[in-house]
Formats: sequence, structure tokens, C-alpha cells
Amino acid sequence: EAGVTQFPSHSVIEKGQTVTLRCDPISGHDNLYWYRRVMGKEIKFLLHFVKESKQDESGMPNNRFLAERTGGTYSTLKVQPAELEDSGVYFCASSQFNLRVRTEAFFGQGTRLTVV
Amino acid sequence: LAKTTQPISMDSYEGQEVNITCSHNNIATNDYITWYQQFPSQGPRFIIQGYKTKVTNEVASLFIPADRKSSTLSLPRVSLSDTAVYYCLVGDFYNQGGKLIFGQGTELSVKP
Repeated sequence: EAGVTQFPSHSVIEKGQTVTLRCDPISGHDNLYWYRRVMGKEIKFLLHFVKESKQDESGMPNNRFLAERTGGTYSTLKVQPAELEDSGVYFCASSQFNLRVRTEAFFGQGTRLTVV
Repeated sequence: LAKTTQPISMDSYEGQEVNITCSHNNIATNDYITWYQQFPSQGPRFIIQGYKTKVTNEVASLFIPADRKSSTLSLPRVSLSDTAVYYCLVGDFYNQGGKLIFGQGTELSVKP
């Protein structure tokens, strides 16, 4: 079974440009999450989808970030316009937990975004 | 959400048992404790989760004392491939939608 896949693995863009990150969760997982680690900082939660609905977007830094999950399958995270401080590694995770004792999230390998 | 404190780094040698302790003094009644492992250039990977006492799986053991204010991840006979960052997370994951709050983690370095 394929794991969580993210595209691209690396992206270098100029300040002011637009970048779209994609995440394909594990098939059948209703829950999809985006996280980000900025250089030297901890991994931070961005938002949570349940199927196509945004369940929690409390971690989205500002309105330059737009996440979508049309049809409840793959998700995209668009940054427009990108700023230098948006550089970091963006992780996607998915889960289908229905057991209190094992709430396991499966992470992708991340997209390393560099804004220059 | 309960805050966690763990050592920033640890060193070990191949074949040794490694114990990483995490403090979570304000853990709530409904909170569980979970540990993730992260290798360079990869996303975090679930290792183990528990509520109280001891949990063991094929990878590690998790020891949780009665007051639940701390927990210890035990890795038996580590190898070089266990070099990674280990994160201790605490929360009512089931009722908070699976949201994970990461701390700084413990960077474990295993030497030959």
C-alpha cells in the first residue's frame, strides 16, 4: 500500500511568486493534515481536513495560504504571494483513526520550500 | 494541551538500551502519550502510544508511572539506524481530531 506522497520534494521560488504543494494521502484516510517546520523551529500544525471539509485551520499563518481538498482525496496548499519567512519544510499527514488507543498519523516525506 | 519537556540530545553506542524521558506535569485525565521518530529528510513516524503503566511493541517500550507526569521511551539494543529525533507528544488526540503538537524533540545519536 502506498504511503502519503508529497509533490514536489523541493521547490525554490522567488519572493512574490506562487507555489502549490500537493499531498496524496493514504487511500481511504478521511483525515488529512498539513504541518510546517520553519528553520530552527518546531513542527507546527497548520490545518486539518475531514474529507473535503476544513475541520481546524487554526494554524494557518495568514491569508496568503490557501488549502483545498476537492473531492476529499488529494490536497493542495497554495502560497500566494510567497514571502521569505515561508521557507521551510511542509509535511502532510493522513489518518483514519477510530481507536482511542492508537491515533496514528502517517506522514509524507515533506516538501522543502525555499523562497529567495 | 499539555506541554512536554525532553532532553535536547542524547548519545549512545550500538547494542545499548536507550531510555528517553519526557516530562508532562500538566497532563489531563483524557490525554494519551505518544512518541514519534523522525529520520533526516523524512516525516515523523509513529512509534508507540500509551495511557498508563507499560506498553510494548516490536519497536519500543513505553513506561508510564502512576501519576502520569512523565513517561520513558525505551529502545532496546539500538543500532546506527536508530539515529533520529524522537518526539514525545501528549494530548486527547481522539477528541482533538488527531492534531499533534510537537515539541523540540530529542536528537539521539548512536555511535559504533
